[in-house]
Amino acid sequence: NAGVTQTPKFRVLKTGQSMTLLCAQDMNHEYMYWYRQDPGMGLRLIHYSVGEGTTAKGEVPDGYNVSRLKKQNFLLGLESAAPSQTSVYFCASSQARPGHPPYEQYFGPGTRLTVT
Amino acid sequence: QQQVKQSPQSLIVQKGGISIINCAYENTAFDYFPWYQQFPGKGPALLIAIRPDVSEKKEGRFTISFNKSAKQFSLHIMDSQPGDSATYFCAAVTGYSTLTFGKGTMLLVSP
Repeated sequence: NAGVTQTPKFRVLKTGQSMTLLCAQDMNHEYMYWYRQDPGMGLRLIHYSVGEGTTAKGEVPDGYNVSRLKKQNFLLGLESAAPSQTSVYFCASSQARPGHPPYEQYFGPGTRLTVT
Repeated sequence: QQQVKQSPQSLIVQKGGISIINCAYENTAFDYFPWYQQFPGKGPALLIAIRPDVSEKKEGRFTISFNKSAKQFSLHIMDSQPGDSATYFCAAVTGYSTLTFGKGTMLLVSP
């Protein structure tokens, strides 16, 4: 099993450009998440999904959109990139069943994005 | 509003020493407290976790101590090794909600 994979690993964008980050998981997990990590700020939740076709806002959703068309994929889009979106982006997934909350999250290796 | 406060921000420990990282929370509804370990250039990975009905959990050299009345929990790394050098995040969650992370502690274990 590859676990959680992220594409691309690195990207440099110019202000105003758009891009999509792809996250894929092969563990058949219901829940998927997008975080950003900035120095001294920890991990901040951008958006998450509790199942195929569903999405919800996290702590810092502004400037991002997401889609979960397939259970195994979770896409994060930046429509008009800004320097403030320079960060390392992590995708994660977790399993949930009735009586068993999605406590354990499995993280991908991250995407380092620089917006100039 | 930061619901999980983590300290210190950074920590330097000599090889063989004890590393201690502390977290405090506000929401008494939290029912699961995991610690994640992140090596440079990698994603975080679950290290150890505890529920509030237990005061201590030990896995190898890693121990979580939990003080429900003080709303605090801590990670102790015994006999710290250079390979333990990483960033550690505490977190808390209730039920089917999302994890709330602390801001992280960068641990350096000097040889």
